[in-house]
Amino acid sequence: GAVVSQHPSRVICKSGTSVKIECRSLDFQATTMFWYRQFPKQSLMLMATSNEGSKATYEQGVEKDKFLINHASLTLSTLTVTSAHPEDSSFYICSARDSSQGTDTQYFGPGTRLTVL
Amino acid sequence: AQSVSQHNHHVILSEAASLELGCNYSYGGTVNLFWYVQYPGQHLQLLLKYFSGDPLVKGIKGFEAEFIKSKFSFNLRKPSVQWSDTAEYFCAVNLWYSGGGADGLTFGKGTHLIIQP
Repeated sequence: GAVVSQHPSRVICKSGTSVKIECRSLDFQATTMFWYRQFPKQSLMLMATSNEGSKATYEQGVEKDKFLINHASLTLSTLTVTSAHPEDSSFYICSARDSSQGTDTQYFGPGTRLTVL
Repeated sequence: AQSVSQHNHHVILSEAASLELGCNYSYGGTVNLFWYVQYPGQHLQLLLKYFSGDPLVKGIKGFEAEFIKSKFSFNLRKPSVQWSDTAEYFCAVNLWYSGGGADGLTFGKGTHLIIQP
């Protein structure tokens, strides 16, 4: 199956710093990637849709200036958490859409655990 | 906005028992339906998906799900569970647009399944 990687898998940072998370589709091209957030013992919540070559679209309540998304190529999307605060601590998961076989399936990365001190 | 509800948050079964996990969604338009599984310490993996056609879909590891449009349901089933099926199971839905493509997934809260040997 299609493989999606994320880097780093875990990051600890100080409050006020920025953190960049990378999401890569390893064996397919993805014009669209998605970023989700998962709080402990809760479900995934869609944050934003990352579109290659255009601006990301954000879900209601997600601050676009805080969560910067860049989708510079067909295999890479980045999420930058700017001026991180402890309440941003969470598990961030990306997915990449594979539309190559006529169906629309999202493949998920392993996630990035962000802890803001 | 669409929503997904999973009726059982925790399910405990013995090996060889039959499994059915409920999933209902709230949107009446054209939807794609998914079941994902998250094994302990691992990332989300696609179990099965429904886009169109036969409402009974078969996935990996002996799982199947039936789409009942009149009930807005997509219940997951397995006739005989194994200890290795212990995991978190998520039902998800997204909307299919007439122009092609689909948006991010809306997840249910998940069902924690424990299989006792």
